Amino acid sequence: KQEVTQIPAALSVPEGENLVLNCSFTDSAIYNLQWFRQDPGKGLTSLLLIQSSQREQTSGRLNASLDKSSGRSTLYIAASQPGDSATYLCAVTLIESGYQLIWGAGTKLIIKP
Amino acid sequence: GAGVSQSPRYKVAKRGQDVALRCDPISGHVSLFWYQQALGQGPEFLTYFQNEAQLDKSGLPSDRFFAERPEGSVSTLKIQRTQQEDSAVYLCASSLGTEAGEKLFFGSGTQLSVL
Repeated sequence: KQEVTQIPAALSVPEGENLVLNCSFTDSAIYNLQWFRQDPGKGLTSLLLIQSSQREQTSGRLNASLDKSSGRSTLYIAASQPGDSATYLCAVTLIESGYQLIWGAGTKLIIKP
Repeated sequence: GAGVSQSPRYKVAKRGQDVALRCDPISGHVSLFWYQQALGQGPEFLTYFQNEAQLDKSGLPSDRFFAERPEGSVSTLKIQRTQQEDSAVYLCASSLGTEAGEKLFFGSGTQLSVL
């Protein structure tokens, strides 16, 4: 059974720092991996989607990497800003269904001004 | 519509009551998903529709949970005889087609509290 783990559960850093969020999964048979952002009272926003054949994706100050063989992904946030404060979740798409997402519990990020 | 819309935004129910949660997906989106998110946890898959057909309901926790999408657009998740463990945020998502691994668009969710 696929399990997704995110470490740390919470992180608080000063504004301007670069930071890394970690995601690990137990079964490498995934279709893709996605990183989402969740703000309180709001839905989930997709940040980056990495196909299983890809190694990384970049969007602005965000860079996500995928090492399928080791079951790991990282989300790198450069020059963090208070507006980056949110919960970040990673999810893998099961290859057996092609649509079912298995999620981590998230990392709650606080950027202090 | 511009995005996935869910209503109500908040729902408080007494234990034993029936509730109905509505999801209005992005117009033209074929696939629709329901997820349940407990406090401090990641979402968990409940069910999947392709147009009006419910292709996967393996994640529904019990027979008290029922979902429908009769005309292939709006979907309703119904929970009968609610229990405290049903308290969670219920998220709806849609995607344009049926390709594996398609990008999902999520609604803001319905926060259900069962007292």
